[in-house]
Amino acid sequence: GAVVSQHPSWVICKSGTSVKIECRSLDFQATTMFWYRQFPKKSLMLMATSNEGSKATYEQGVEKDKFLINHASLTLSTLTVTSAHPEDSSFYICSAMGAISSTDTQYFGPGTRLTVL
Amino acid sequence: QQQVKQSPQSLIVQKGGISIINCAYENTAFDYFPWYQQFPGKGPALLIAIRPDVSEKKEGRFTISFNKSAKQFSLHIMDSQPGDSATYFCAAKSTGGYQKVTFGTGTKLQVIP
Repeated sequence: GAVVSQHPSWVICKSGTSVKIECRSLDFQATTMFWYRQFPKKSLMLMATSNEGSKATYEQGVEKDKFLINHASLTLSTLTVTSAHPEDSSFYICSAMGAISSTDTQYFGPGTRLTVL
Repeated sequence: QQQVKQSPQSLIVQKGGISIINCAYENTAFDYFPWYQQFPGKGPALLIAIRPDVSEKKEGRFTISFNKSAKQFSLHIMDSQPGDSATYFCAAKSTGGYQKVTFGTGTKLQVIP
């Protein structure tokens, strides 16, 4: 199956700093990437949808100036949490969808655990 | 209308038993229904998916049953094993372009020996 990687797998940072999370599709071109946030024992909450070369579309209630998303190429999307605060601590997961077998299948990355002190 | 309702929230099944998780949707535009399996600290992994033109799809021990008129679908795990212990999410989306996936609330399955 298609492989999506995320880096880092976990990160601890101080309040006020910015953190960048990378999402890569390793063996296919991802025309669309999605960023999710997941709280403990909860479902996935879609934050934004990004298409290569265009601005991300953010879900209602998600601050686009705080969660910067860049989809610079067909294999890489980044999420930057700016001026992070403890309430931003969460499990962030990306997924990618591309022109492989079915355009309906999203392949998920392994997630990034962010802890803001 | 965008919700996907999932039940039960948690499920305990004995090894060798059948695990059944149910989902219901309202949006008739949904035409792709995947199930994801998630282990603690990991991202979700696609398990099996179905489109509404068939009423059942089986892959190994995993079967999706789909009832289009009732707008319900379910996951059956036959001969459940301790290694199946995970959280399962049903989902739904409309095909075409980059339509977003709507996830159910998740079911935590525990298979006891």
